[in-house]
Amino acid sequence: GESVGLHLPTLSVQEGDNSIINCAYSNSASDYFIWYKQESGKGPQFIIDIRSNMDKRQGQRVTVLLNKTVKHLSLQIAATQPGDSAVYFCAERIQAGTALIFGKGTTLSVSS
Amino acid sequence: GAGVSQSPSNKVTEKGKDVELRCDPISGHTALYWYRQSLGQGLEFLIYFQGNSAPDKSGLPSDRFSAERTGGSVSTLTIQRTQQEDSAVYLCASSLDGSSGVYEQYFGPGTRLTVT
Repeated sequence: GESVGLHLPTLSVQEGDNSIINCAYSNSASDYFIWYKQESGKGPQFIIDIRSNMDKRQGQRVTVLLNKTVKHLSLQIAATQPGDSAVYFCAERIQAGTALIFGKGTTLSVSS
Repeated sequence: GAGVSQSPSNKVTEKGKDVELRCDPISGHTALYWYRQSLGQGLEFLIYFQGNSAPDKSGLPSDRFSAERTGGSVSTLTIQRTQQEDSAVYLCASSLDGSSGVYEQYFGPGTRLTVT
């Protein structure tokens, strides 16, 4: 079936490094993508989103890149901090009015 | 302002019992979603309510699962005759309008269900 997947289940970085979390999606019709951060025992928290008519979007310390040619989505976190340690999920929406389809998540561990 | 709230936060039940999980969305949000998250897994879509439209139930895993949304606000997810494989965290999310735009979904803290 169609689903969103992630390249790596875990990623370990040093504090201050830049982190890149990757995601491959399979549905070329998806019009909206979103990254969530989930800390232990909490619900997912919105990080950043991007529409399919964009290639890049920047937020505070985070950048999302969308490559529709290869159906690839990435989240870049600048100057990673210990508080960034969490599970990161990418999600896609196939069309307006439908629920998000989530990948399995990448666990980011930041060491001091 | 208040976010999405869910109750109970934890629920332990015996196999075969029925359970009800409650979600209070953010005031003014017309779209409400239920997801299930098993240990170490991503989120599995269950059901989606948008305003007064018929809900999208395509994600419900069996007829033991049902949900309703009263008055366009509070939602209850009911699992009948619970099985051990129903053990998971059940997450509720709401958004301004799921039928247009790209409004982000705000998640509640979830209800951890354990079926013994």
